Amino acid sequence: DGGITQSPKYLFRKEGQNVTLSCEQNLNHDAMYWYRQDPGQGLRLIYYSQIVNDFQKGDIAEGYSVSREKKESFPLTVTSAQKNPTAFYLCASSTRTGRLTFGAGSRLTVL
Amino acid sequence: QQQVKQSPQSLIVQKGGISIINCAYENTAFDYFPWYQQFPGKGPALLIAIRPDVSEKKEGRFTISFNKSAKQFSLHIMDSQPGDSATYFCAASIRTDKLIFGTGTRLQVFP
Repeated sequence: DGGITQSPKYLFRKEGQNVTLSCEQNLNHDAMYWYRQDPGQGLRLIYYSQIVNDFQKGDIAEGYSVSREKKESFPLTVTSAQKNPTAFYLCASSTRTGRLTFGAGSRLTVL
Repeated sequence: QQQVKQSPQSLIVQKGGISIINCAYENTAFDYFPWYQQFPGKGPALLIAIRPDVSEKKEGRFTISFNKSAKQFSLHIMDSQPGDSATYFCAASIRTDKLIFGTGTRLQVFP
């Protein structure tokens, strides 16, 4: 079955550490996205990529970095510069029609 | 102008009742309006979507009503069931550009 796989599902980070969240899709979608979800704040866009080797900042990119070396993969690194990283992170991909398909999410907790 | 305002933040409905969630937007260039449903600990999933050339779209118990002149659209869930208890997000985009999400509505349906 086609879909989006995010890993790990749960992740704990000590302050000052960088962590990388994995996102892999086998839907052959060109565009991929990272969203952050906090209670009561909906889905906020961190980064997106519409083509391999190219990506753009979203609304809350500070403290995050991404790469898009392969069409199937769009990993997100939460750096130590992100002051409040505890959140639920969602990866998504989309067709040319704009329909988003989401992964199951990764929950990051800072200890 | 890029915001999508969603209300209410939470909604409690009795089984068999009608759930109504409203969204408003400012940017008249938006031409794609989807609704996503999210269960706890999962990623959102596309529920139903509409384009501005129609005023209503129905899929089973779920209906989108679209009022272009008022720049509003709403989700109606008929005969609400406990299994509909979830968080619902409206969104909007211009063609296949990135989606702008509302802040979400937590729906609880009690038996």
